[in-house]
Amino acid sequence: GAVVSQHPSWVICKSGTSVKIECRSLDFQATTMFWYRQFPKQSLMLMATSNEGSKATYEQGVEKDKFLINHASLTLSTLTVTSAHPEDSSFYICSATTSGGAFRPDTQYFGPGTRLTVL
Amino acid sequence: AQRVTQPEKLLSVFKGAPVELKCNYSYSGSPELFWYVQYSRQRLQLLLRHISRESIKGFTADLNKGETSFHLKKPFAQEEDSAMYYCALKGGGNKLTFGTGTQLKVEL
Repeated sequence: GAVVSQHPSWVICKSGTSVKIECRSLDFQATTMFWYRQFPKQSLMLMATSNEGSKATYEQGVEKDKFLINHASLTLSTLTVTSAHPEDSSFYICSATTSGGAFRPDTQYFGPGTRLTVL
Repeated sequence: AQRVTQPEKLLSVFKGAPVELKCNYSYSGSPELFWYVQYSRQRLQLLLRHISRESIKGFTADLNKGETSFHLKKPFAQEEDSAMYYCALKGGGNKLTFGTGTQLKVEL
């Protein structure tokens, strides 16, 4: 239970292009989703928090125009890296929480991550 | 500001030996601490949380507010415990702040 999926699992793109990463909660309704990035051998850094139907809240230093987050439904959030550059290459991980039901409401359930490589 | 410190990048122990993964935190409010584990090629998953006072897979962790620590312990390490362990602090809005992680390697 409490499965979160991400698609794609890895992507390679050219510099200047945009890339969309999907995060889905498969067996629960995700009232809140979180997006993290993780550089090699470093910790997870929170980028933004998104609640269904409202604008995402970005952490300090994260460019909201570069990392577009959409949380249009209770089971789907997307992160679009616009005009990607090599320095955006990273591992992007999403997590989701639910307000209740079968799963613990205060637990973040993590997706498997998406490896982005920008050439 | 909240901060989580895991001083050891790598901890190597022999099978059957005790394990202690250190975690210290800095937070002005009442802390809620977690340990997450990531096995090889798997996603991050919750191991335990301090408010539950539970033992999962033989691991326990006690919140020590005086020392601002939340060390993870297991009396006898098993080979399957080899993984990356992250300590995390929950602040406002359900946000988690992660430590840099400790790679536990259990050798035979």
